[in-house]
Formats: sequence, structure tokens, C-alpha cells
Amino acid sequence: GQNIDQPTEMTATEGAIVQINCTYQTSGFNGLFWYQQHAGEAPTFLSYNVLDGLEEKGRFSSFLSRSKGYSYLLLKELQMKDSASYLCAAMDNYGQNFVFGPGTRLSVLP
Amino acid sequence: EAQVTQNPRYLITVTGKKLTVTCSQNMNHEYMSWYRQDPGLGLRQIYYSMNVEVTDKGDVPEGYKVSRKEKRNFPLILESPSPNQTSLYFCASSPRGAGEKLFFGSGTQLSVL
Repeated sequence: GQNIDQPTEMTATEGAIVQINCTYQTSGFNGLFWYQQHAGEAPTFLSYNVLDGLEEKGRFSSFLSRSKGYSYLLLKELQMKDSASYLCAAMDNYGQNFVFGPGTRLSVLP
Repeated sequence: EAQVTQNPRYLITVTGKKLTVTCSQNMNHEYMSWYRQDPGLGLRQIYYSMNVEVTDKGDVPEGYKVSRKEKRNFPLILESPSPNQTSLYFCASSPRGAGEKLFFGSGTQLSVL
């Protein structure tokens, strides 16, 4: 079976750091993606991990542990514009398909 | 400009009236897919296509049809729409292969009355 789980909602303060977790179970695995989606808009690509470890891209970092079926997205120096939903997605069967989690809605407060 | 073009952006229709949502990509991508997004349920895959004339069901294919006669186009057809198909729909494409991200269209908000 295929299942991806992430928290439904999170709240954080401007300037703070927030970690959004994602656990996954998929038939075959070939990488974990994170997307950002503002309300009513299309998802946009943030990061990709296929090997264990941390990938850093400016204020955003993403971590993967394949043995634990676990990933997280770390957002530093939060800004109001980071208020959005963050979608975790696993690629399965060597690039044949994507499975999305339900998304985590992040609210950044002043 | 590389993009996925999806039309229309908004559509209001009535139960039973056939409709088509178009999707076209100009990146020569092999993989294309349709998703619907509903509050609390995230993106759920309707159909996907690995290449021309190759289509497969996703998680929620009932009530939908697709075709892939050309590489660039992947229309979504609702033969007899029902109110439970009211949703936000996204088309996406990818070069296919390990590590290749999805490119999304701007979405179609469909309301079936």
C-alpha cells in the first residue's frame, strides 16, 4: 500500500524556525519531494531528497531517512509570505508515479 | 517559456453536461497526470500517462476519462459530471525518471450544480 502522513496544521512566529515532518510508506521508492502551495494556486517545487541526509537551499532545508521512511522540511527565519501549505510527495517505482501527502497548512504570525 | 497550460481557470456547470478540461505542455515531457484537490484530502491522482497512447488509473478515476493522442496534450473529460466532482483540478507534467520534479498547471476550479 501507499501512505504518506504529515500534520494538518502548524503555527509559528515570524523570524522563528519550524520543522514539518512527513512519514511515508510506498511500493518502491525513488525520492521524496517537498512542494509549497499558496491558497488557490498551483504547487511549486521546493526540494528533492533521494539519499539520506540534509539538503540545504537558502532558508529551506530538507532531510531524509530512507530506513525510517521519514523526512522533514525545515524553514528558518520565517516570513509572513511562508504562510502556505507544504506538500510531501514520494516518487515510487523508479520514476513512474508520485504519491502526495495531505499537506500541512503553516500559518506564520507576526 | 516552459509551462503547463490548463483551461479553463474556472468552470461552473450543471449535472450531466459533458465537459473537457484541456492541458498542454511545451516541454516535451513524457509523463502527464491529473489531480483533484479537496480540503483535508490533499492532491489525489485521477489518471496519469507515461507516454503517447499509454494511460493508467490513479487513485480516484471513477467518473473521468483521459486521452493521450499527442505528447503535449492530456485532456480530462467528465462525461456526466456530478456535484461530488466539484473540486480544484491540477494537471502536471514531468520529464519522467528519477528525481524529475512535477510542473503544475495553474488549476481549474470546477463547480457542478
